[in-house]
Amino acid sequence: DIQMTQSPSTLSASVGDRVTITCRASQSIGGWLAWYQQVPGKAPKLLIYKASNLKSGVPSRFSGSGSGTEFTLTISSLQPDDIATYSCQQYNSFPWTFALGTKVEIK
Amino acid sequence: EVQLVESGGGPVKAGGSLRLSCEASGFIFSSYTMNWVRRAPGRGLEWVSSISSSSTYIYYAQSVRGRFTISRDDARSALYLQMNSLRAEDAAVYYCARGGYYDTRGENDYWGQGTLVTVSS
Repeated sequence: DIQMTQSPSTLSASVGDRVTITCRASQSIGGWLAWYQQVPGKAPKLLIYKASNLKSGVPSRFSGSGSGTEFTLTISSLQPDDIATYSCQQYNSFPWTFALGTKVEIK
Repeated sequence: EVQLVESGGGPVKAGGSLRLSCEASGFIFSSYTMNWVRRAPGRGLEWVSSISSSSTYIYYAQSVRGRFTISRDDARSALYLQMNSLRAEDAAVYYCARGGYYDTRGENDYWGQGTLVTVSS
């Protein structure tokens, strides 16, 4: 199975800061990576698909990059609404696997 | 508007069974792969099972294979997860999610609100 690891596990930043989360795959997954945002008590929400494609309706301050085994999610200017847990997922091959996630807090 | 509404969760004793349902609307259900994903308390998201359009391909996580069965009723735009021999580690919020269009390889672009399964010993 492909293992997904994310760092950091927790991140504290100020409103307006640029935030970067890294996701690594244990083997190449091409560009078959998605990023999700989940607020406690709510359903996960797709932000980015195929590593760098922004889902329609998602604010443009979110962006994704990378391919192969290393990927990043960037929030260009952190907003209070962005308080959530962010998780990456590979869908290159079954079993699909998620990383444990990064909890983003406001400093 | 795409909507996914899960139901069927609740308390169950270890070894028991539950059947989860997911009612879909706002899109052509039969054209999409559908997925179940869960999140146990304090844990990350975990993919559980996928079923392709026309039920041609079905996949399970190793942790549930042989105990869970995914199915779909395209006439009803409904997805199901029959869960047997439940264990404490199956306790989680279960989400249904829409996957790829005529493709098993697709991101989960819409999710339901989830249904909670609790398992007691």
